[in-house]
Parts: sequence; C-alpha cells; structure tokens
Amino acid sequence: DAKTTQPPSMDCAEGRAANLPCNHSTISGNEYVYWYRQIHSQGPQYIIHGLKNNETNEMASLIITEDRKSSTLILPHATLRDTAVYYCIVRAYGGATNKLIFGTGTLLAVQP
Amino acid sequence: DGGITQSPKYLFRKEGQNVTLSCEQNLNHDAMYWYRQDPGQGLRLIYYSQIVNDFQKGDIAEGYSVSREKKESFPLTVTSAQKNPTAFYLCASRRTKGSGDTQYFGPGTRLTVL
Repeated sequence: DAKTTQPPSMDCAEGRAANLPCNHSTISGNEYVYWYRQIHSQGPQYIIHGLKNNETNEMASLIITEDRKSSTLILPHATLRDTAVYYCIVRAYGGATNKLIFGTGTLLAVQP
Repeated sequence: DGGITQSPKYLFRKEGQNVTLSCEQNLNHDAMYWYRQDPGQGLRLIYYSQIVNDFQKGDIAEGYSVSREKKESFPLTVTSAQKNPTAFYLCASRRTKGSGDTQYFGPGTRLTVL
C-alpha cells in the first residue's frame, strides 16, 4: 500500500471549512484514498473514500487531484465535535488481508 | 440499529491471567478484524477472519487467540503469553461493494494489566 504524508496538526475556526491535505505521490492505479477520523479514546470512524473522482457525502467532500498524487478532505462547516485525528489511507481494493495501515494522521483542533 | 459493539469498555487484568474481549456486529459483514493501538501510534493487526470458522494471523498475533463460530461474533483472548498487553483494542468489520471496500470500527476496549 502506498505511503501517505499529512501535516501533524491544524487549527480551524468553528463554522469555517476545514481543509485537510494528504500527499500520496506513490499511489498506484488500483488504490483508493480512504479517510477516517478518531476522536480521543474512541474507535476510528469512516468518513469517505474515492478512486479518482471527487466524492461528497453527508460528512465531507474528498477532492483528488488529476494526477492522484494528493487529495484534500473538506469539512464544510467545522464544529467543536469535529476535533479529532484524521487519517488518510491509501490501499488497493480487497486483498487477502485488507488490513488498514494508519499513519500518525493530522490532529484537527476546532477553535470556538 | 446496526453497528459493532465491544465489551467491556475498560478491563483490568492481573498478570498471568487470560482475558477475553467481546466483539459483535449486526451489519451482516463477512470479514472481521482485531487491531491493537498503543499511545500515539497507529493500528496494528492482530487477527482477521474473512469467513466463519476461518481466521488468519495478522502482524502481531503472538500471545493472542481468536475464534469465529458465528458470523456476528469474533472474540479475542489475550493470554498470559502476551508480554505487553496493556493497550486499546479495536474490532472492525468489513463491507465489500463495487466501489471499494470499507472497514467499520467498534468503540474499543481499553485493557490495563496491573
């Protein structure tokens, strides 16, 4: 699975959009980009995933660059409850193990 | 209400004791996983099961055992052979669909060895 690089921490004002970047320059053609978040002492929560097209759901939007070497997770109106560590994961579909490899992620602190 | 449940939320164990962590899912997922998370670190895979009555070792299986007698349940036993069992344990199950497969996590069990 391709390696990802994320900033260790970011701040965002409540009510503003939070844009979390992720670099995955070694991504392969069959690898998807997944985003999870983990609030302190809770299990990781799935947010969104995509292959090459931009994706949007009720939680967030995922923007993937045309060359697929980077992506941005957008929380359109951040709230205090969005404070968490956000993980960007790149992996192929399926596979015998299908394990998720979480890096150190980005700690997003939403400020009142 | 569909989801994954883990119990207990907190567990304390004396050295030399075996303990079993529960994981149940009603999502009708075939695959289930156990991960371990240590402070400030990512997840490490302990065991996984892709189908009932079958399971495979992950990256750090030593000192752990599992069973998968029912689709809904995947209990993890932490044995006395596990040298450093104090950690946050996470169970996950996997949904597979055409646009990519996704794992969903339970709330976790925090195990402390006294």
